[in-house]
Amino acid sequence: GAVVSQHPSRVICKSGTSVKIECRSLDFQATTMFWYRQFPKKSLMLMATSNEGSKATYEQGVEKDKFLINHASLTLSTLTVTSAHPEDSSFYICSARSRDRAGNTIYFGEGSWLTVV
Amino acid sequence: GEDVEQSLFLSVREGDSSVINCTYTDSSSTYLYWYKQEPGAGLQLLTYIFSNMDMKQDQRLTVLLNKKDKHLSLRIADTQTGDSAIYFCAETPSGGYNKLIFGAGTRLAVHP
Repeated sequence: GAVVSQHPSRVICKSGTSVKIECRSLDFQATTMFWYRQFPKKSLMLMATSNEGSKATYEQGVEKDKFLINHASLTLSTLTVTSAHPEDSSFYICSARSRDRAGNTIYFGEGSWLTVV
Repeated sequence: GEDVEQSLFLSVREGDSSVINCTYTDSSSTYLYWYKQEPGAGLQLLTYIFSNMDMKQDQRLTVLLNKKDKHLSLRIADTQTGDSAIYFCAETPSGGYNKLIFGAGTRLAVHP
């Protein structure tokens, strides 16, 4: 199956600093990538939809200046958490859409644990 | 509106079948998905079903879709301890392909 890779899998940063998380589709081209956030024992919350070569579309309530998303190529999207605060600590997961023969399939990365201290 | 609901917990004996249920509200959903999440890990796509299908079978997994009742189920035959995880159903709302709406997840516990 298609593979989506995230890096880093775990990161600890100090309050006030910025941290970047990468999402790569390894064996397919992803015109659209998605960023989710998951709180402990909760479901996934869509943060934004990232389209290659254009600005990301953010969900209501998500600060675009705080969560910067860049989709520079068909295989790479990045999420930068700027001026991180402890409440930004969470599990961030990306996904990418692959058009397979059957139509439409969305694959997820392994997730990135962010801890802000 | 868009809403997906699941029961939060299911406990089964090893070797039995597990049935995880999901209901959704968007009657125009195009695709419906089942994902598995093991502790501390990302989501693994298990299977998906297109909205014009009633059933899809893939080895030990059977997906049933009742579009009239907006009900989706995942049956795992011969459940094993390695199946213990959280299972999320998700839908693509009308229009499409641009986001998934997830249920809260069903925690499946398999005991000897």
